[in-house]
Amino acid sequence: AQSVTQPDIHITVSEGASLELRCNYSYGATPYLFWYVQSPGQGLQLLLKYFSGDTLVQGIKGFEAEFKRSQSSFNLRKPSVHWSDAAEYFCAVGVEAAGNKLTFGGGTRVLVKP
Amino acid sequence: SQTIHQWPATLVQPVGSPLSLECTVEGTSNPNLYWYRQAAGRGLQLLFYSVGIGQISSEVPQNLSASRPQDRQFILSSKKLLLSDSGFYLCAWRGDRGDTEAFFGQGTRLTVV
Repeated sequence: AQSVTQPDIHITVSEGASLELRCNYSYGATPYLFWYVQSPGQGLQLLLKYFSGDTLVQGIKGFEAEFKRSQSSFNLRKPSVHWSDAAEYFCAVGVEAAGNKLTFGGGTRVLVKP
Repeated sequence: SQTIHQWPATLVQPVGSPLSLECTVEGTSNPNLYWYRQAAGRGLQLLFYSVGIGQISSEVPQNLSASRPQDRQFILSSKKLLLSDSGFYLCAWRGDRGDTEAFFGQGTRLTVV
C-alpha cells in the first residue's frame, strides 16, 4: 500500500524568506502526487500536482514542487513567503486503483514571523 | 462548475447521541466520494469511500458508518457517539482518473462532550 511521510510537523519562517516542505512517498510505480493547503477550520485547496512529464511543477500562489524519483520525494518550495502563507500543508499520493483514493501525509504547519 | 456542500459546519453532541453529517455534490455525475477525519494536529485519515450509489467501502474499523442514497449525496452516521469521535470531518469528491484532484467541502467540526 502507498504511504506518505512529511517529516516536519512545524516550520517557522520569516516573512520574505524561502520555504521548503519535505514529502516522501512509498509506492511501487510512478505515483500521482499532490500538494494541498488548509487554512484554519477550512477545507483543502490544491496547490499543484504531478503525474508525468517535467519533474518541476508550478502551482498557485507562487509555489513549486520537484519530483525526484530516486529519492521518492516531492518537496514543495516557495522563494519568498508572505504572511498569508501561514497554514497547514499536506502532501498526498494517489493511485488509480479501487476507489481512486488519495493517501495524505501528516501535514506540516507553517508559521510566518513578521 | 462543480461544488461540494457539507453541513453542519459545527456540531456539539453528547456522548451516546446519534450523528448524521451530510455532503452533496453539484455539477458532476457519478463522482467518487470520500469521508476523511482530521484529529487535532494530525493528518487526514480516510474513513469511507464510495464509487457509486449504495457502494460503501470502509477503510478503518470504527463507530461510524456511511451511506450513499443518491449519486451525489454522501452521509456519515453514528448510532452512539464516543468521545473519540471528536474531530474535523471532511467530505471530498474525485473523478476516476488518477491525475484528477480531490475537491473538499469546508468541513464539520464535531465535538463530543
